[in-house]
Amino acid sequence: EAQVTQNPRYLITVTGKKLTVTCSQNMNHEYMSWYRQDPGLGLRQIYYSMNVEVTDKGDVPEGYKVSRKEKRNFPLILESPSPNQTSLYFCASRGPYYEQYFGPGTRLTVT
Amino acid sequence: GENVEQHPSTLSVQEGDSAVIKCTYSDSASNYFPWYKQELGKGPQLIIDIRSNVGEKKDQRIAVTLNKTAKHFSLHITETQPEDSAVYFCAASSHFQKLVFGTGTRLLVSP
Repeated sequence: EAQVTQNPRYLITVTGKKLTVTCSQNMNHEYMSWYRQDPGLGLRQIYYSMNVEVTDKGDVPEGYKVSRKEKRNFPLILESPSPNQTSLYFCASRGPYYEQYFGPGTRLTVT
Repeated sequence: GENVEQHPSTLSVQEGDSAVIKCTYSDSASNYFPWYKQELGKGPQLIIDIRSNVGEKKDQRIAVTLNKTAKHFSLHITETQPEDSAVYFCAASSHFQKLVFGTGTRLLVSP
């Protein structure tokens, strides 16, 4: 089954404690991206990657890092989380005809 | 950059009625317009999309129309059912790297 997986699904952490949210896709897509979803703001792109070792900033990259060492994986790293990063995060991959598939989401709470 | 506005933010209909959600975009270079359905606790799922060389596209009870001159596109759901209740997002893309989302419409279909 074609899918995007994320882990963990839920995470509660404290300010300043580094965390990583993993993302993996099995569709051999070159393009992957991360979004955050906040009430009333829709989905905003954090970072995207066009291929292995190629990443670029989206609309809201501050406080986040990403890496793309393998085609299937695209982890999101918060090196020093702050309460304003409390949000619902989605990983996505996109096929060659623009169709985009989302993961199930990771709900992050930073206290 | 691209800006996508979506209306209404909430929409309540009776089962069997039609529902219409409208979006406007700002970048005349946008050429791909998908619609996503997000059910509670899940990631957005692509339900239909349209490209700039097409004015209308249908898939069973769902249709999307595009007016490039006015820079707006709409989602039409006919014969609504309770399982259509969800949050719907429109999006627009002017180049492969970027997909800009609207702020979402919460659709409630009452039996």
